[in-house]
Amino acid sequence: SQKIEQNSEALNIQEGKTATLTCNYTNYSPAYLQWYRQDPGRGPVFLLLIRENEKEKRKERLKVTFDTTLKQSLFHVTASQPADSATYLCAPTDTGRRALTFGSGTRLQVQP
Amino acid sequence: DGGITQSPKYLFRKEGQNVTLSCEQNLNHDAMYWYRQDPGQGLRLIYYSQIVNDFQKGDIAEGYSVSREKKESFPLTVTSAQKNPTAFYLCASQTGGSQGGNQPQHFGDGTRLSIL
Repeated sequence: SQKIEQNSEALNIQEGKTATLTCNYTNYSPAYLQWYRQDPGRGPVFLLLIRENEKEKRKERLKVTFDTTLKQSLFHVTASQPADSATYLCAPTDTGRRALTFGSGTRLQVQP
Repeated sequence: DGGITQSPKYLFRKEGQNVTLSCEQNLNHDAMYWYRQDPGQGLRLIYYSQIVNDFQKGDIAEGYSVSREKKESFPLTVTSAQKNPTAFYLCASQTGGSQGGNQPQHFGDGTRLSIL
């Protein structure tokens, strides 16, 4: 069955450093991979979408990579700020599926 | 501003009671979704609807029911058959399309349901 793995341990980094979060998936080949940010008690907010034929995508201080050989996506936050502290969810989604499939998320904590 | 409104923010259910969670969107989106989120787990799909008067079961539909009588509204009923309903429920919408993963989803701020 499809499996999505995100590090369940929180990632703690110092302000100004680059945070890198990992999303691994197994037993399927998603055509699209989305990343969302979720703050406590709030709904997820869309950040980036990358397609299987794209290696990298950027948006301001965010960068996402999609390696279909390794079955992995990396999410980078450069020049991190305390306001970037949140849980980040990945959603690698199969072409045949109507709804998104989500990982359990990784909490990022940026220390001032 | 366009968006999705979920209500209530907190809800308590008694044993044997059905409760209904509201979800309204003014984004003119065709597709709407209900997810359940438990601590330490990803979002799991309960039901989804691609068009008015049509909906499909998701991965964990047992104990839940929905309706889609209007484009803007997609209420979720948690029935007494759902034995473990305590969770954070999220509603989302998306523009229509042939595949779900090629468009972002817009989420409401959730309803937290607890058992009395």
